[in-house]
Amino acid sequence: DGGITQSPKYLFRKEGQNVTLSCEQNLNHDAMYWYRQDPGQGLRLIYYSQIVNDFQKGDIAEGYSVSREKKESFPLTVTSAQKNPTAFYLCASSTLTGKHQPQHFGDGTRLSIL
Amino acid sequence: RKEVEQDPGPFNVPEGATVAFNCTYSNSASQSFFWYRQDCRKEPKLLMSVYSSGNEDGRFTAQLNRASQYISLLIRDSKLSDSATYLCAPASGGSARQLTFGSGTQLTVLP
Repeated sequence: DGGITQSPKYLFRKEGQNVTLSCEQNLNHDAMYWYRQDPGQGLRLIYYSQIVNDFQKGDIAEGYSVSREKKESFPLTVTSAQKNPTAFYLCASSTLTGKHQPQHFGDGTRLSIL
Repeated sequence: RKEVEQDPGPFNVPEGATVAFNCTYSNSASQSFFWYRQDCRKEPKLLMSVYSSGNEDGRFTAQLNRASQYISLLIRDSKLSDSATYLCAPASGGSARQLTFGSGTQLTVLP
């Protein structure tokens, strides 16, 4: 089945700890994105990547880091510098071919502080 | 002014009703617009794409007004299963196809 897989579904972070959220896609999409969603809020862009080994900061990149070593993978690390990490994290991907292309989402990771 | 504004609702409508949501956007460079549906504690799922004046898919119609910079979503003959939050997402116009999401409009269809 083609799609976007995020893991784990639930994650707990201890204070001072870095945690990494996984996102893998087998859609052969060029672009991948990470969003954060807080209760009752829209999605805010953390980081995005259009091509392997390149990525750009979104609106709320502080306290987060990413890598894009393979086209199909775009892991997000929530560092200890992110003081309020509790949120629903969503990974998305999109083809860059054609003018009007939507983003498709994985089923998300819920991160909480212990 | 927020980049994308939606009436948060909630909209509570009876089954069979017609309901419409509006979404205003500030980036005049936006060329593509998307409506996503998000169920409670789930990921957003693409409902409709809009890039000309409008688009229709069964009971759902999306319309675009570029002059006034808003898009609308009309749902006819509402079903209980339409209960969800509807997110509006204009594309920013960048090469990476970034989207800017509204906070969503919550719809509850009542029996």
